Amino acid sequence: QLQLQESGPGLVKASETLSLTCAVSGDSINSHYWGWIRQPAGKGLEWIGRVFISGTLGYGTTNYSPSLKSRVAMSIDSSTSRFSLRLTSVTAADTAVYYCAERTYSGSLTWGQGILVTVSS
Amino acid sequence: QPVLTQSSSASASLGSSVKLTCTLSNGHSNYMIAWHQQQPGEAPRYLMKIEGRGIYNKGSGVPDRFSGSSSGADRYLTISNLQSEDEADYYCETWDNSAWVFGGGTKLTVL
Repeated sequence: QLQLQESGPGLVKASETLSLTCAVSGDSINSHYWGWIRQPAGKGLEWIGRVFISGTLGYGTTNYSPSLKSRVAMSIDSSTSRFSLRLTSVTAADTAVYYCAERTYSGSLTWGQGILVTVSS
Repeated sequence: QPVLTQSSSASASLGSSVKLTCTLSNGHSNYMIAWHQQQPGEAPRYLMKIEGRGIYNKGSGVPDRFSGSSSGADRYLTISNLQSEDEADYYCETWDNSAWVFGGGTKLTVL
């Protein structure tokens, strides 16, 4: 059974870089799509981006939300079955619960349990 | 890029049925969508995906009380025999080759 586990600092200072990792178990990270989604307290879900290993290219391919594209970078490591998120120049508006997720080729989605990241001034 | 529209809130009585609606933007009426449930303080949970033809496939362990359907650009989630634990936020979501898009969510209150 697929399991996703987010990890990383729960507190980041404003203007610094937020870095999170999602550990994948129970499925191959070489298949499907791997994404990050966030949710500020009391608000809705916001897609951040996705990463996947392209069969033809053999390395990670990414797509990002247009609103975050200038500050986001994602990577994927098949040797450790982990994928990562980096968000630079964070502000209080980036305070949220961050979820990692897997989307299968058929469209179903599996969520991680989420990790709260607070940006402090 | 598609846009999804949901009502912000809905309510129905215990034991009754409720139908939540998610509307796809113009030009995207054939898109598949997914429904997710988020109970208070919990991570979202995938419920099902619905194709434009109305065919739906539920996730593992989703009760039979939950079903999906479609009409034009609208995608529906119907919950029958409402239980207290169905009180939650419900999000629809769609995706294409470059993005995943969420609706604003519907807060369901069970009376």
